[in-house]
Amino acid sequence: GDSVTQMEGPVTLSEEAFLTINCTYTATGYPSLFWYVQYPGEGLQLLLKATKADDKGSNKGFEATYRKETTSFHLEKGSVQVSDSAVYFCALSVKNNNDMRFGAGTRLTVKP
Amino acid sequence: NAGVTQTPKFQVLKTGQSMTLQCAQDMNHNSMYWYRQDPGMGLRLIYYSASEGTTDKGEVPNGYNVSRLNKREFSLRLESAAPSQTSVYFCASSEQGSSTDTQYFGPGTRLTVL
Repeated sequence: GDSVTQMEGPVTLSEEAFLTINCTYTATGYPSLFWYVQYPGEGLQLLLKATKADDKGSNKGFEATYRKETTSFHLEKGSVQVSDSAVYFCALSVKNNNDMRFGAGTRLTVKP
Repeated sequence: NAGVTQTPKFQVLKTGQSMTLQCAQDMNHNSMYWYRQDPGMGLRLIYYSASEGTTDKGEVPNGYNVSRLNKREFSLRLESAAPSQTSVYFCASSEQGSSTDTQYFGPGTRLTVL
């Protein structure tokens, strides 16, 4: 079935370090791909998305490119800040939002 | 603009007790969802409502019931709580429920069943 596998955490980085969180997917159709972020004590909020192959989603310095050939949607940021500390979820949606599949989440801690 | 609101924020139940989790959205969205979040497992869909007047089972519906009271409100009921239902519950909504839609999440309800 459709699924998402993302890099296990936790990930701990120093401020201004480069971030990569890996995400790969398995899907029978043509999925839309999402990264959601969850700050402590809050619900998930959309960070970025891409709806077709080769699209690049970007927001707040984060980027991810929809790579159909490698079935990947890796999240990157060139210089992380303490305020980026959160849990990041990769997700896909194939037919509709009712069938959205989430990865297990990756906890990122950024130290000053 | 409050977005998606949930009540209560925290709840402790004893095994066998019942309760209803409330959710409301003010974005005029058609689709609404209930998820549970367990450590190391991401989010799993319990029930969803594609539009007012309709509800359907998700991945893990056993032990739960839902009501789409109107376009704004979607409640989740536990009739006889069990320790396995200890989790964080999130309500979400999206405009049309298509595969490209963004889902908007509430702040969550942390439920403990003793």
